[in-house]
Amino acid sequence: DTAVSQTPKYLVTQMGNDKSIKCEQNLGHDTMYWYKQDSKKFLKIMFSYNNKELIINETVPNRFSPKSPDKAHLNLHINSLELGDSAVYFCASSHRLRQGYNEQFFGPGTRLTVL
Amino acid sequence: DAKTTQPNSMESNEEEPVHLPCNHSTISGTDYIHWYRQLPSQGPEYVIHGLTSNVNNRMASLAIAEDRKSSTLILHRATLRDAAVYYCILRDASGGGADGLTFGKGTHLIIQP
Repeated sequence: DTAVSQTPKYLVTQMGNDKSIKCEQNLGHDTMYWYKQDSKKFLKIMFSYNNKELIINETVPNRFSPKSPDKAHLNLHINSLELGDSAVYFCASSHRLRQGYNEQFFGPGTRLTVL
Repeated sequence: DAKTTQPNSMESNEEEPVHLPCNHSTISGTDYIHWYRQLPSQGPEYVIHGLTSNVNNRMASLAIAEDRKSSTLILHRATLRDAAVYYCILRDASGGGADGLTFGKGTHLIIQP
């Protein structure tokens, strides 16, 4: 059984469109995250979400917004897509209360290509 | 999270041990040392973590210097499947725990058959 799953695996779209990436975890974790890995392979945290508390990386444009319908899901909505949004997006989850020693479980990634 | 320094790449032969170093001279007393790896075309995966004592699990061993300013991830018998980018990350245990991981450039481990 997949612990952290993302859909779709690949997403190709035109500039200016609005798109969503879905993430689900079946680990019973209370915290979920979104990361972006650019073409140079740098991985950066975008958001973390726990019990309605959202922590945002200040460098993330407000065109990006996470939505959590329940504790097992954290979807990523992107408005007015730009060429620079092309990247691989990873979802992850963990237990918050284990603080510095919590391990995060990552999904397989969604490769977004903006044309 | 405090900064870590790793070699850009390392090469090893299959079935030999691999020692991946990490320097973290500005580590604080509440920082845990975590290692993750990312296999090609996959998401990162947790490998091991420790605070002060050396740690072993089914994937690897973590050797932590006495002053905690450096650590070494040890793969006892590397296989081709261990070819990946390995990230050394410090995690502050005094934090809220909901902040994300801060990835550096990591070490690209190449395994020769």
